[in-house]
Amino acid sequence: RKEVEQDPGPFNVPEGATVAFNCTYSNSASQSFFWYRQDCRKEPKLLMSVYSSGNEDGRFTAQLNRASQYISLLIRDSKLSDSATYLCVVNSGGGADGLTFGKGTHLIIQP
Amino acid sequence: DGGITQSPKYLFRKEGQNVTLSCEQNLNHDAMYWYRQDPGQGLRLIYYSQIVNDFQKGDIAEGYSVSREKKESFPLTVTSAQKNPTAFYLCASRTGGYGYTFGSGTRLTVV
Repeated sequence: RKEVEQDPGPFNVPEGATVAFNCTYSNSASQSFFWYRQDCRKEPKLLMSVYSSGNEDGRFTAQLNRASQYISLLIRDSKLSDSATYLCVVNSGGGADGLTFGKGTHLIIQP
Repeated sequence: DGGITQSPKYLFRKEGQNVTLSCEQNLNHDAMYWYRQDPGQGLRLIYYSQIVNDFQKGDIAEGYSVSREKKESFPLTVTSAQKNPTAFYLCASRTGGYGYTFGSGTRLTVV
């Protein structure tokens, strides 16, 4: 089983809709979780950290489900500018590094 | 403003040639990383360094070398032993339990 798995998509969503996608992780000892956004041919940028209690930043909501070992990202009232690839990143704390990246979910917001 | 600077943005390598990618950060971060990203793929760890004068191999270190003589700098050399070097190279740094900050990347192409 891969350490961090994401549905690659693409998710084609009309503007204004709500979209959600998940990321599953295999290491139950994972300690911290992040969502990154990557635009085409650009570097990834931190979108939000994912806390145990869940957290919200404007139209974006991140949730953590430790029992089922997944994190989720919900985008409400989607904008054309939300089109990007969303990377799930998990810190399992193992060894000296421990950050593992998913391959990303490609989101396309359509007018 | 603090950040990570990668240079050059685009680099062309001839067969059998060594090339060095620059990465400089002024964030006072202890840990620095090099990742490689191929089209449609996730990030793969090449090398990382948690402290000056020390670095560790990542998952795909063969054909690459690094140095960490200063806290601010973590250059990556792509040697002639790397048979398929064409990719997008990303440098990152982090501190504590926070997520990565990435540089804008270097696109390396073999000609």
